Amino acid sequence: AQKVTQAQTEISVVEKEDVTLDCVYETRDTTYYLFWYKQPPSGELVFLIRRNSFDEQNEISGRYSWNFQKSTSSFNFTITASQVVDSAVYFCALSSIIQGAQKLVFGQGTRLTINP
Amino acid sequence: DTGVSQDPRHKITKRGQNVTFRCDPISEHNRLYWYRQTLGQGPEFLTYFQNEAQLEKSRLLSDRFSAERPKGSFSTLEIQRTEQGDSAMYLCASSPPGTGETIQYFGAGTRLSVL
Repeated sequence: AQKVTQAQTEISVVEKEDVTLDCVYETRDTTYYLFWYKQPPSGELVFLIRRNSFDEQNEISGRYSWNFQKSTSSFNFTITASQVVDSAVYFCALSSIIQGAQKLVFGQGTRLTINP
Repeated sequence: DTGVSQDPRHKITKRGQNVTFRCDPISEHNRLYWYRQTLGQGPEFLTYFQNEAQLEKSRLLSDRFSAERPKGSFSTLEIQRTEQGDSAMYLCASSPPGTGETIQYFGAGTRLSVL
């Protein structure tokens, strides 16, 4: 069975601090995809990044960076110089390919609060 | 380019009543998904359509739940004889055609409260 664990339920930091959100996954598939989504108070899940299991390169997008390590089954997300607008719930997800398209398995989410 | 649209945004109903939610996917997205999210949890997969065909249903989708996508465009999710345990956020997502994995884009959800 597939599983995603986000052990950090809530994180609170002061603006401009760096913060890392942890994600550990379990799967027996050799080909899989990992995602991060952001859910602001409005409720809509906003796509941030997708990674496939064959690409372990770290990725940086502005203040956001992702560290994918197959050896530890982790896909961690770091926000550098955090801002108040980064406050949201962040979800890590793992895809399962069914009938030609994926079903996402989500972690429980990490509520991130950035204090001014 | 409009995103995924869901209607209504909020629904309050009494136990035992039927409710129906609507999802309009991004134009030309042939894949549509329904998820349910309870408070403090991540979304859980309910069902998936490719065009008008419902190809996958979760065990979470009891007999009281039915989803349709009659013309391969918008979709409806109906819950009959609602129970308090049905209270949740119902999220719809769509993804474009393609082989294998594609990105799912989510709507803002319909929040259901069963009294």
